[in-house]
Amino acid sequence: AQSVTQLGSHVSVSEGALVLLRCNYSSSVPPYLFWYVQYPNQGLQLLLKYTSAATLVKGINGFEAEFKKSETSFHLTKPSAHMSDAAEYFCAVSKNSGGGADGLTFGKGTHLIIQP
Amino acid sequence: GAGVSQSPRYKVAKRGQDVALRCDPISGHVSLFWYQQALGQGPEFLTYFQNEAQLDKSGLPSDRFFAERPEGSVSTLKIQRTQQEDSAVYLCASSNYRGAYNEQFFGPGTRLTVL
Repeated sequence: AQSVTQLGSHVSVSEGALVLLRCNYSSSVPPYLFWYVQYPNQGLQLLLKYTSAATLVKGINGFEAEFKKSETSFHLTKPSAHMSDAAEYFCAVSKNSGGGADGLTFGKGTHLIIQP
Repeated sequence: GAGVSQSPRYKVAKRGQDVALRCDPISGHVSLFWYQQALGQGPEFLTYFQNEAQLDKSGLPSDRFFAERPEGSVSTLKIQRTQQEDSAVYLCASSNYRGAYNEQFFGPGTRLTVL
């Protein structure tokens, strides 16, 4: 079974500073990995996904993530935080071996706080 | 176009009542998923449909939970004899699976409170 661990339930950064949200995965096979964002009272929105095509993945709103197999990590970064980035962020891995439609296994989430 | 919709958005039930939660996926999407999100937690997979076939129900927490998608479009998640631990947001997602992994589009969820 696959799993993900998100380090830090809350992360606070100043507006304009680097955003780094950490995610480590556990998988016995090459995984499909995802980052989702959730704004209050809204559904989850996909930021980006890794499906083995490229290790550096660029997503929406200036976010990107790098897949590092040796570290089993898929950390999310953004060079310059904006107030509108304040939200809950979830890392997820495909439930089974990946490929095809598959349920997702989510981490517990990281609440991103942006200080003015 | 229209996204995934869920109804009701909020549901309050007394312990022991049965509830039914509805999901309208994006038109034409083959795959449909249900997740349960407890307060302060990430979503947890409940079940998956491909068209009308329920291919994975390994995440359903008990036999009180039942999901169906009889015509391969709208889906209903039913919870019988609700318990307080069932209080959560229930998320539905759909995907246009065509042989390779595709994005799951999530609805806004139904917040269930069991008193």
